[in-house]
Amino acid sequence: AQSVTQLDSQVPVFEEAPVELRCNYSSSVSVYLFWYVQYPNQGLQLLLKYLSGSTLVESINGFEAEFNKSQTSFHLRKPSVHISDTAEYFCAVMGAQKLVFGQGTRLTINP
Amino acid sequence: EAGVAQSPRYKIIEKRQSVAFWCNPISGHATLYWYQQILGQGPKLLIQFQNNGVVDDSQLPKDRFSAERLKGVDSTLKIQPAKLEDSAVYLCASSIPQGPRQYFGPGTRLTVL
Repeated sequence: AQSVTQLDSQVPVFEEAPVELRCNYSSSVSVYLFWYVQYPNQGLQLLLKYLSGSTLVESINGFEAEFNKSQTSFHLRKPSVHISDTAEYFCAVMGAQKLVFGQGTRLTINP
Repeated sequence: EAGVAQSPRYKIIEKRQSVAFWCNPISGHATLYWYQQILGQGPKLLIQFQNNGVVDDSQLPKDRFSAERLKGVDSTLKIQPAKLEDSAVYLCASSIPQGPRQYFGPGTRLTVL
C-alpha cells in the first residue's frame, strides 16, 4: 500500500518570496507522483506530474518538483510566489492503479 | 473538451435523510472514481468503476453508501441514511483505462445537520 506525508499543514509566505512544499511517500511498488492544486471553492486541478524520465518536472505557472527516489520525496517549489498562488496543494502517489493523497498544505501569500 | 460534470454543487440535509449525487465523466473515459474529502484532509477513494463494473470498493461504507454506473457512463452515489460525519465534499473523477492521470469534477459539498 502507498502512503503520502505532507510535512506542513500550512505555509505562510510573503509575495515574491520563494516557497517549498514538502512531500514524502512510501510504496512497495513503482509509483507515479502528482501535485494537485485546489483554489477556494473549486475542484482539484493537476499542477504537475512525474511519470518517468527527467526527475525534474515543471508546471506552466512556474512551479517545479523533483522526484528523489532515494529520499522518497517529491517536494514542490516556486522561486517567487504571487497572491494568486493562494490555494491548498495536495501531493498524491499512484501505485498499483490506486491514487493516494496527502493531507494537503495550505499556502497563504501575504502582501 | 467538456470536463467531469457533477450535480448538485451543494446539498444540505438532516441526519438520517438520504441523498444522491450524480457524475458525468469525460466522454470516452471508461474508469470512474468517487472520492470523499473531509474538511482539512486529502481526498479518499470510495469506489472505482471500470465501465459498469466495480474495481475497488474496499473503503466504501456499504451499510449506508451505494454507487452504480449502470450503462458505463454516468454514475450516482447514494447515502442512506446520512450521518453527521458524512459532511464532506464528494469528488468524481475519470480517466482512460490504465491511465495515470485522473480528471476531477468540481465536487458536491454535503452538509449534514
